[in-house]
Amino acid sequence: EDQVTQSPEALRLQEGESSSLNCSYTVSGLRGLFWYRQDPGKGPEFLFTLYSAGEEKEKERLKATLTKKESFLHITAPKPEDSATYLCAVSTGNQFYFGTGTSLTVIP
Amino acid sequence: SQTIHQWPATLVQPVGSPLSLECTVEGTSNPNLYWYRQAAGRGLQLLFYSVGIGQISSEVPQNLSASRPQDRQFILSSKKLLLSDSGFYLCAWSTRTYGYTFGSGTRLTVV
Repeated sequence: EDQVTQSPEALRLQEGESSSLNCSYTVSGLRGLFWYRQDPGKGPEFLFTLYSAGEEKEKERLKATLTKKESFLHITAPKPEDSATYLCAVSTGNQFYFGTGTSLTVIP
Repeated sequence: SQTIHQWPATLVQPVGSPLSLECTVEGTSNPNLYWYRQAAGRGLQLLFYSVGIGQISSEVPQNLSASRPQDRQFILSSKKLLLSDSGFYLCAWSTRTYGYTFGSGTRLTVV
């Protein structure tokens, strides 16, 4: 069964405390893996697309990596404004599967 | 640039009342359009998608319907709302590069 699982469900970090969010997937024929950021009461905003194992993308304090089974979103020295829910999604070309997200809280 | 507009942002409706949520896209033609619902603490649930005018596919049989009267307009409707229809509704269009581009969402509370 195709599915996407994100862990942990919630994460609390002190400002400056680096960590990683995980997105594991079991799908047939990965066409792309997407990371989104969602603030409360708003729609998800696109962060990264990864297409193949070994690929990495960076944006400010965020770095996304991809293996054949999972993706990590690394957050380096997070700030309170990084607090949000981070969603990952996987496309097989015909189908799109979303994880349930990781709620990140960064404490000043 | 490509943008997506969704309204209203919040809506409080009594049980049994009708619903109409509208979504429009700018800067693209013949987009694939989607309606998702997001419940608190749960993932995104695909409700409907459309690949063209008048073409609607339903993923989950329920109290809701969708229509696409114009190329860049997608409408989510209900004739009689249920309490279980409460949630956060998102319109989106898709591209291969970005996956989905989402609207700002509508928080629907059925009372």
